Amino acid sequence: DAKTTQPTSMDCAEGRAANLPCNHSTISGNEYVYWYRQIHSQGPQYIIHGLKNNETNEMASLIITEDRKSSTLILPHATLRDTAVYYCIVRVLTNLSGTYKYIFGTGTRLKVLA
Amino acid sequence: EAQVTQNPRYLITVTGKKLTVTCSQNMNHEYMSWYRQDPGLGLRQIYYSMNVEVTDKGDVPEGYKVSRKEKRNFPLILESPSPNQTSLYFCASSLRTSGGYEQYFGPGTRLTVT
Repeated sequence: DAKTTQPTSMDCAEGRAANLPCNHSTISGNEYVYWYRQIHSQGPQYIIHGLKNNETNEMASLIITEDRKSSTLILPHATLRDTAVYYCIVRVLTNLSGTYKYIFGTGTRLKVLA
Repeated sequence: EAQVTQNPRYLITVTGKKLTVTCSQNMNHEYMSWYRQDPGLGLRQIYYSMNVEVTDKGDVPEGYKVSRKEKRNFPLILESPSPNQTSLYFCASSLRTSGGYEQYFGPGTRLTVT
């Protein structure tokens, strides 16, 4: 199964861009990359997802390398409320009929500093 | 309001006493899944369901059962709980699609087995 690896923790100054990397070197061509975040022990919150192209929404940007072996989540102007654990996830197809499951990484604990 | 609900939110039980954690969603989602979260291990998928009467094992299914008799409900059953099933459990739901789509997570159920 595709597996993701992320740094354990990162710090970022408030107002600066936070760049969170993820390696998924065994990802297959039709498997999506997702990012979620979790604040304390609440349910994870969706941020963004992508397949091949870079994506942007109101929360963040997702940059996927051309070989798809890694990606970077960018929070353009981090605030104190962005302090959370960020998970990089791969959605893995489990058979030819289109069933799939999700493989979570162990997450990056981002601390935004005032 | 679109949401995923779980009950109970907190449960302390003893080894071997059967229990069920309920999960319900009001978004008419086909895909539902259960995760457990343990310190240092991130979230791991226990079971998932692509639609009514269709369930598959995730990465850590041992000791758990699920059923999907109705689209909105996806209960997690522990027939004979053991202390190693002490964990934080999350239910999630999503549209079933070949393209990417976000999962909505419930608030979590903290289970302690003594």
